[in-house]
Amino acid sequence: AQSVSQHNHHVILSEAASLELGCNYSYGGTVNLFWYVQYPGQHLQLLLKYFSGDPLVKGIKGFEAEFIKSKFSFNLRKPSVQWSDTAEYFCAVNAIWGGATNKLIFGTGTLLAVQP
Amino acid sequence: DVKVTQSSRYLVKRTGEKVFLECVQDMDHENMFWYRQDPGLGLRLIYFSYDVKMKEKGDIPEGYSVSREKKERFSLILESASTNQTSMYLCASSTGRTGYGYTFGSGTRLTVV
Repeated sequence: AQSVSQHNHHVILSEAASLELGCNYSYGGTVNLFWYVQYPGQHLQLLLKYFSGDPLVKGIKGFEAEFIKSKFSFNLRKPSVQWSDTAEYFCAVNAIWGGATNKLIFGTGTLLAVQP
Repeated sequence: DVKVTQSSRYLVKRTGEKVFLECVQDMDHENMFWYRQDPGLGLRLIYFSYDVKMKEKGDIPEGYSVSREKKERFSLILESASTNQTSMYLCASSTGRTGYGYTFGSGTRLTVV
């Protein structure tokens, strides 16, 4: 079965610090990869996605992620975080195989707190 | 603005009650999903549906059932609510087969007492 691991459960950073959140998945075939964000009291929103092509993808609000197939990883990065980035971040995987399914499997989430 | 609407934001129910959580989308999406979100566990898929009257079990279907009689509506049913079903329930919809384009509802926080 597919699974997604997010190694950092809680991360506390000061403003302007750099961010990297880890995400690893277990599936040997073709995958689509996503990062979602949930700001306090709000619904889940898509930050960025990877389907194919350039493994370095850029999303909204200055976030980017790099797909490293050999490591089954899709880590999220931001060079300089802001207080408004305080949120919970979820990595998600959609494994592509022959069936008519597009379900997303989510990681356990990482709570990011940015201190002003 | 496209929307996924969940009928209740907060619900409190008693143990043993039958509970209905309703979700409606206005995007003509064929796929709909129910997840539950718990601290430290992320989002776990309960059930999903590709089309009207079709349903598939997710990773944690025990204690739940679903109904999709119309394309825009996907209901989650707790046959006999238990305290371990206290959680945030999220509905989502999407189109296509790529996992892209999920739109989430705002969630229903269910407390079973």
